[in-house]
Amino acid sequence: DSGVTQTPKHLITATGQRVTLRCSPRSGDLSVYWYQQSLDQGLQFLIQYYNGEERAKGNILERFSAQQFPDLHSELNLSSLELGDSALYFCASSLGVGKETQYFGPGTRLLVL
Amino acid sequence: QQQVKQSPQSLIVQKGGISIINCAYENTAFDYFPWYQQFPGKGPALLIAIRPDVSEKKEGRFTISFNKSAKQFSLHIMDSQPGDSATYFCAASRNAGGTSYGKLTFGQGTILTVHP
Repeated sequence: DSGVTQTPKHLITATGQRVTLRCSPRSGDLSVYWYQQSLDQGLQFLIQYYNGEERAKGNILERFSAQQFPDLHSELNLSSLELGDSALYFCASSLGVGKETQYFGPGTRLLVL
Repeated sequence: QQQVKQSPQSLIVQKGGISIINCAYENTAFDYFPWYQQFPGKGPALLIAIRPDVSEKKEGRFTISFNKSAKQFSLHIMDSQPGDSATYFCAASRNAGGTSYGKLTFGQGTILTVHP
């Protein structure tokens, strides 16, 4: 158990809908990272937050957004969902910027029908 | 320049054998190279990591070899066991500053099967 929690574990929704994925980092970790894992794209970095502030963006679609709250949990919002958004979404956390080890949560499996 | 290329895509070894997975990177600003192990239905778990100031790091049956001039690094699993059957990802990140540091760039993964 990495200490990173993600909810929900599974999510089935329809095209055009909006969903919110939640992540709680390990106790004491200030950085949260979101990654998408799909068969064709592999593991891709989406976005990083550090202590409530956005620090880095990867190939995140404009339909996706995220935030980190004062209690350091983070949410990833996916809107206007398309079939191709079906994937595993992982959250990872680390102590802080420059502290390299990232611990991954169990992921949320999203299926868009 | 952000790519990390991993090979092979899949690997089958016999119990007790040596598993070798290779990765190559392009971005010379990368300064941290972890390997992650992922079992079906689970998130990636850090296995072992290396920084470019050393050429080799060993932890138990797992060894990373690092060749800075060739921009390559590899994972060696000695005495491979059926319980090692999983998907392995190499990754790289830059932690020395800038706006993109910390994020991991992953290889495509290697599915390892260890036969008993």
